[in-house]
Amino acid sequence: DVKVTQSSRYLVKRTGEKVFLECVQDMDHENMFWYRQDPGLGLRLIYFSYDVKMKEKGDIPEGYSVSREKKERFSLILESASTNQTSMYLCASTRPSTDTQYFGPGTRLTVL
Amino acid sequence: SQQGEEDPQALSIQEGENATMNCSYKTSINNLQWYRQNSGRGLVHLILIRSNEREKHSGRLRVTLDTSKKSSSLLITASRAADTASYFCAPEVRYNTDKLIFGTGTRLQVFP
Repeated sequence: DVKVTQSSRYLVKRTGEKVFLECVQDMDHENMFWYRQDPGLGLRLIYFSYDVKMKEKGDIPEGYSVSREKKERFSLILESASTNQTSMYLCASTRPSTDTQYFGPGTRLTVL
Repeated sequence: SQQGEEDPQALSIQEGENATMNCSYKTSINNLQWYRQNSGRGLVHLILIRSNEREKHSGRLRVTLDTSKKSSSLLITASRAADTASYFCAPEVRYNTDKLIFGTGTRLQVFP
């Protein structure tokens, strides 16, 4: 079974802190995605990566950056956390053209 | 917005009843997928229907797709309390493979 893990289930940070959210998949998937999920807004794509060191902006990249140094790991970085980045963050992975995305359990981030 | 939009936003039924959720989208698609999310967790892939298919079954799930109306429906038959979750449709936009557009979901509550 595909397994996608995220470094934390719950995280509390203060405004201005640098925040790292880590995602690891164990199925050698090329594509990895970061979404945020907010009530009434559904899932919105922040960034995705289709290979090591390759990345592409999603619909809401502002305030975020990503890093993909190894195929299995995709990191989401909040350079200076703000309260409007309080959200549920979901990571997903897939092989190209295989359609199904496999999701991690999510990280609920609260920025105070 | 290109997102899939689910209707209704919330649905409450008794065990044994059927649950129908609808999805509309705005652009040409390669396929349309349905995902399930238990409260506070990641999403799990349920079923995929391709743009040249009209109906697909998987266990108690039945999905239809009408590309002329840009709509899809998910039917869960003989619902169980364990089906309580949020359900999301995710069209894969044509010529934009591997990227899914999620809606806000339908919250299904099945009472024992």
